[in-house]
Amino acid sequence: SQKIEQNSEALNIQEGKTATLTCNYTNYSPAYLQWYRQDPGRGPVFLLLIRENEKEKRKERLKVTFDTTLKQSLFHITASQPADSATYLCALLGGSQGNLIFGKGTKLSVKP
Amino acid sequence: EAGVAQSPRYKIIEKRQSVAFWCNPISGHATLYWYQQILGQGPKLLIQFQNNGVVDDSQLPKDRFSAERLKGVDSTLKIQPAKLEDSAVYLCASSIPSGPSYEQYFGPGTRLTVT
Repeated sequence: SQKIEQNSEALNIQEGKTATLTCNYTNYSPAYLQWYRQDPGRGPVFLLLIRENEKEKRKERLKVTFDTTLKQSLFHITASQPADSATYLCALLGGSQGNLIFGKGTKLSVKP
Repeated sequence: EAGVAQSPRYKIIEKRQSVAFWCNPISGHATLYWYQQILGQGPKLLIQFQNNGVVDDSQLPKDRFSAERLKGVDSTLKIQPAKLEDSAVYLCASSIPSGPSYEQYFGPGTRLTVT
């Protein structure tokens, strides 16, 4: 069956450290994968897209990798800050009409 | 630019009652989506519109859910009759069909509680 799994429901790290979130998928061959941030009581906000032919994408303190052999994407936040605390969702192009399929998300807490 | 607007923000109803949610997408966005997000889960697509036509409604429980997008702008999602398991946040999103990042812009959602 098709599955998207994000490594953990919650991740706690210290301010200044690098947070690494994992997204694994099975039985999909997505052309691209996206990462979104969701704060409590709000809708998801788009962060980054990485295509199947790209190994890495960066935006400020964010870095995303995409390994289509391992069927995995890693999402890194360097020099993390308490303001980075949120739930991070990965989403891949996998529906019958090319729709986004979302993972459950990982709740990141950055402690000062 | 103004974001995706949704109303109401919160709704509490009893099971078997009906409810309707409204969404106004970002101006110029031809594609509109309705998602259901159950607590602790990621958003799940219910229906996708391209202008005023339905592209995908394969996961919409059509015996109780309906949606329309008249004139290709605003959209309404209705549940009739509601069940306890419909308690969730209903998110509306919009996008440009061929945007460079295929980014979807989400509204704040409507939190529905069915008692």
